[in-house]
Amino acid sequence: SAVISQKPSRDICQRGTSLTIQCQVDSQVTMMFWYRQQPGQSLTLIATANQGSEATYESGFVIDKFPISRPNLTFSTLTVSNMSPEDSSIYLCSVTRALGTNEKLFFGSGTQLSVL
Amino acid sequence: GDSVTQMEGPVTLSEEAFLTINCTYTATGYPSLFWYVQYPGEGLQLLLKATKADDKGSNKGFEATYRKETTSFHLEKGSVQVSDSAVYFCALNQGAQKLVFGQGTRLTINP
Repeated sequence: SAVISQKPSRDICQRGTSLTIQCQVDSQVTMMFWYRQQPGQSLTLIATANQGSEATYESGFVIDKFPISRPNLTFSTLTVSNMSPEDSSIYLCSVTRALGTNEKLFFGSGTQLSVL
Repeated sequence: GDSVTQMEGPVTLSEEAFLTINCTYTATGYPSLFWYVQYPGEGLQLLLKATKADDKGSNKGFEATYRKETTSFHLEKGSVQVSDSAVYFCALNQGAQKLVFGQGTRLTINP
């Protein structure tokens, strides 16, 4: 299995500020994704983090609000910019790793963000 | 677009009770279906999956059968344990490992 370290595990932030969440994997992975889980709702894919190029965003998510970096095959960051209370959610990093002929998806333990 | 609807929680059962968590989906084509589990303080883990109609996924005593005719993938376990207390997510695969999740069902098992 992939060991995923996601930091911080939780934070309380003021409106208008930004928070950067880090995702570190113990070895190279094929793909990295960022999900959001708003209170009482499903996990929703924000974007696919592409190594060395701009992330691919899903409908409803934009780079200005959620800038993503992936400088190498084991690390990515998600920034939640100009936060408002509506951004209070759990943010999850997930990765895929090839296991034999299959690819398996793994999740980090998440970052619980509260915006006041 | 594709969507997953899960039984609303929270669900509270006594140890050794029978568990069913309902999951239905809407999708174009023939997605793969998954159940993920999140134990307290841990990341999401794959519990079981099924990739085509009538497939049954099973793991740790849990089972779910891919029912195309009813577009369902209900999770069942014959006798739950306290250690099964967790949040369970039903999901489908849109391709390229992108998942569409249900809202999650919190399960608590009392001794």
